[in-house]
Amino acid sequence: GQSLEQPSEVTAVEGAIVQINCTYQTSGFYGLSWYQQHDGGAPTFLSYNALDGLEETGRFSSFLSRSDSYGYLLLQELQMKDSASYFCAVRSGGGKLIFGQGTELSVKP
Amino acid sequence: SAVISQKPSRDICQRGTSLTIQCQVDSQVTMMFWYRQQPGQSLTLIATANQGSEATYESGFVIDKFPISRPNLTFSTLTVSNMSPEDSSIYLCSVVEVDLGEQFFGPGTRLTVL
Repeated sequence: GQSLEQPSEVTAVEGAIVQINCTYQTSGFYGLSWYQQHDGGAPTFLSYNALDGLEETGRFSSFLSRSDSYGYLLLQELQMKDSASYFCAVRSGGGKLIFGQGTELSVKP
Repeated sequence: SAVISQKPSRDICQRGTSLTIQCQVDSQVTMMFWYRQQPGQSLTLIATANQGSEATYESGFVIDKFPISRPNLTFSTLTVSNMSPEDSSIYLCSVVEVDLGEQFFGPGTRLTVL
């Protein structure tokens, strides 16, 4: 079977740092992607890790360890606008994405 | 990055009817997909839309229920047939930009079936 596990919800305060973990078990693996989705909106691409290590893009960083089937999304200097759902997704064969159930992040003042 | 548009953006339909959703991309793309997101849930892949041939469906989805067309590299349609309230979802078109390693999503079509 194929499964991705991520926390269902996380709460943090403005200015803080939060890490959203994702573990996966899939039959095919080409990389791990992260998406942000605000209520009523389409998923927005945040990052993609094909190789082990850390990728940094502004306030967001993403990490992958293929040997541990594990990755995380790190959000720094949290802002209220970061309140959203965050999905990890495994890119499997044929370009297909298999999504986790999503983590709802609430940023409090 | 590719710009994706979908029509309609939302619709309310009666059970037993069908709705066709259009997806238009502003550039030619090799890979195009259709996803479904049920209320409060994650995204589930329905099928890969193949240009010039039959779509490839994921487990649990069949062509009779979700016929897909892809006549060229910039356009695809998804039809939700013989609808029931369980089909109420957001339907999203997605394309892959291979060079960028990114997959982009259209704005989605919010479908409510009464």
